[in-house]
Amino acid sequence: QKELVQSGADVKKPGASVRVSCMASGYPFTDYYIHWLRQVPGRGLEWMGWIDPESGDTNYGQTFQAWVTMTRDTSVSTVYLQLNRLKSGDTAIYYCARDVGREVGKTLFLDNWGQGSLVTVSS
Amino acid sequence: DIVMTQSPLSLPVTPGEPASISCRSTQSLLYSNGYNYVSWYLQKPGQSPQLLIYLGSNRASGVPDRFSGSGSESDFTLKISRVEAEDVGIYYCMQALQTPITFGQGTRLEIK
Repeated sequence: QKELVQSGADVKKPGASVRVSCMASGYPFTDYYIHWLRQVPGRGLEWMGWIDPESGDTNYGQTFQAWVTMTRDTSVSTVYLQLNRLKSGDTAIYYCARDVGREVGKTLFLDNWGQGSLVTVSS
Repeated sequence: DIVMTQSPLSLPVTPGEPASISCRSTQSLLYSNGYNYVSWYLQKPGQSPQLLIYLGSNRASGVPDRFSGSGSESDFTLKISRVEAEDVGIYYCMQALQTPITFGQGTRLEIK
């Protein structure tokens, strides 16, 4: 059963950093891109970027590239999203999602999503 | 960036009746391979989004056949032939033709 399991909720103070994890199971970890998306409570979906778990290559959205880092650890089939210099406006649910497009070298669609990780930024 | 615009934003539907959601993009999503790089997702209350339709008109595994996607280039539609209570939630279209990947604002379907 293909599954993405994310780390639990976290509370951080403004200016701090946080790392969210996304562990994959039930499929070959390096065969699919993993995307990260953000959803501010009550709002829509915002794309942050993707990582290629095989090469470690990344593609960040311009809004996020100065303060997020995506990495992976193939030994534990896990990708990570690090958010730096957090602000209260970064309070959101962060989702990882699998993209089947890696075999064609282009994002196609997101067929499996993690359960989401709520990050709350509050002093 | 490609802007995706959905309508309506709110959709009250009587069970058993059809429903339709429109999604328009600011540029064509038709790729050189002949596929439209648009997909549809449903986010049920308190859940993660789930894939319904990919590449414009293909139903994802396990999605009931009352859901269908159509359209091409910059004009797309998601149709539900007979709405059921379990279909409530927010529907999003997404374009993957180019980064940044962008979503529509979402359409909230509710049962009358």
